[in-house]
This record gives sequence, C-alpha cells and structure tokens, in this order.
Amino acid sequence: SQTIHQWPATLVQPVGSPLSLECTVEGTSNPNLYWYRQAAGRGLQLLFYSVGIGQISSEVPQNLSASRPQDRQFILSSKKLLLSDSGFYLCAWAQGAKNIQYFGAGTRLSVL
Amino acid sequence: GENVEQHPSTLSVQEGDSAVIKCTYSDSASNYFPWYKQELGKRPQLIIDIRSNVGEKKDQRIAVTLNKTAKHFSLHITETQPEDSAVYFCAVTGGSYIPTFGRGTSLIVHP
Repeated sequence: SQTIHQWPATLVQPVGSPLSLECTVEGTSNPNLYWYRQAAGRGLQLLFYSVGIGQISSEVPQNLSASRPQDRQFILSSKKLLLSDSGFYLCAWAQGAKNIQYFGAGTRLSVL
Repeated sequence: GENVEQHPSTLSVQEGDSAVIKCTYSDSASNYFPWYKQELGKRPQLIIDIRSNVGEKKDQRIAVTLNKTAKHFSLHITETQPEDSAVYFCAVTGGSYIPTFGRGTSLIVHP
C-alpha cells in the first residue's frame, strides 16, 4: 500500500533563516505531488504541485520554492523565512482521474 | 477556474442530531466530489467521495448527495457523536491536476 512521509513534524526557525521540508511517497510511481499551507483555523492554500520529475508549478508567488529531484520526493524550500511563513505545511500525493489527495502528517512551522 | 463555496463555516449540534454541510461549484465539467475530515492538529483524510454520474452515496452514518443541475453537493452526518467534531472540507476535481477545496466547516458536537 502507499504511504507518505513528511518531516520534520514541528520546526521553530528565526526570521531570515533558510527552510527545507521534505516529503517522500512509497508504494507508487509517478504520483502527482502537492505542497499546501494552512494558517491556524483556515483553509488549504495550494503552494506548488508537480506532475513529474523536475516539473514544478507555482500557484502563489512568494519567497518559497519547490523541487522534485526524484520521482517520489518533493522538497519545499526558502532562502529567508518571513514571519508570515508560519503555518501548517502539508504534502500530498494523488494519482488517477479522481485526483484524491492523500496527505502527509504535516509540519508545523513557527517563524519567530 | 473552478470556484467552490462551502456553508456553514461553523456548525454546532447536540450529540445524536444530524449535521448537513453544503458546497456549490461553478465548473459543470467537474466530475469528482470528495469530502475530507481534519481533526485538530491532524492531516485531512478522505471520508467519502461521489462521482458526477451518481446522485447519492452512503457509508454508515455518512452520506453525500449531488445535484449536478444545480451544481451543489452536500455531506450528511446522522446520529452525530463527539468524535465527529472536526473541520470538514469539500473538494471538486475533474479535468485538471488541481483540486479546488471549500474553505471548511468546523463541526462541534456537544455531548
């Protein structure tokens, strides 16, 4: 069966520091991969998605970037974090016409 | 692009009551309509979905109905229990890699 791993679970970073969040999927090949951000008590904001290695589409312009160096690996990065980058970051994978999203456990990022 | 509106934003019920959450969408080409449940501090998880050629689907205490003509679909939870308390998101997919989510409904079930 398919599983998705996301780490770290929590992260506290100072303003201006870099960021790297990683997500890997097991048990499937060529999944569509997604990064979402969720502010406290709010909805799901799609940040990036990828339909293949090296292919990244950005939904929201900001100081974040994403990369997909391997088929089942998706990385979210920033060179310099802002206070407004705080939130709950969720990685997800999907496959097929239904495009059902299967989410990782999430990373709670606090930028201080 | 697709636009999904979800109501209400908050729903408070007594244990044993029914709860109904409604979503409307704009793109008539959309053909899959999943619902996700997100417990506090956890990830959203799929609880039920329906495709466009089906009007209703049930899974124990949960049901989803779809009205394609009116472009709306609803989640029905019967005999609510405290463990049903969570945020529920509707979503719409079809024809693109990007699902469109509703803004979420916070369901509170009082014992």
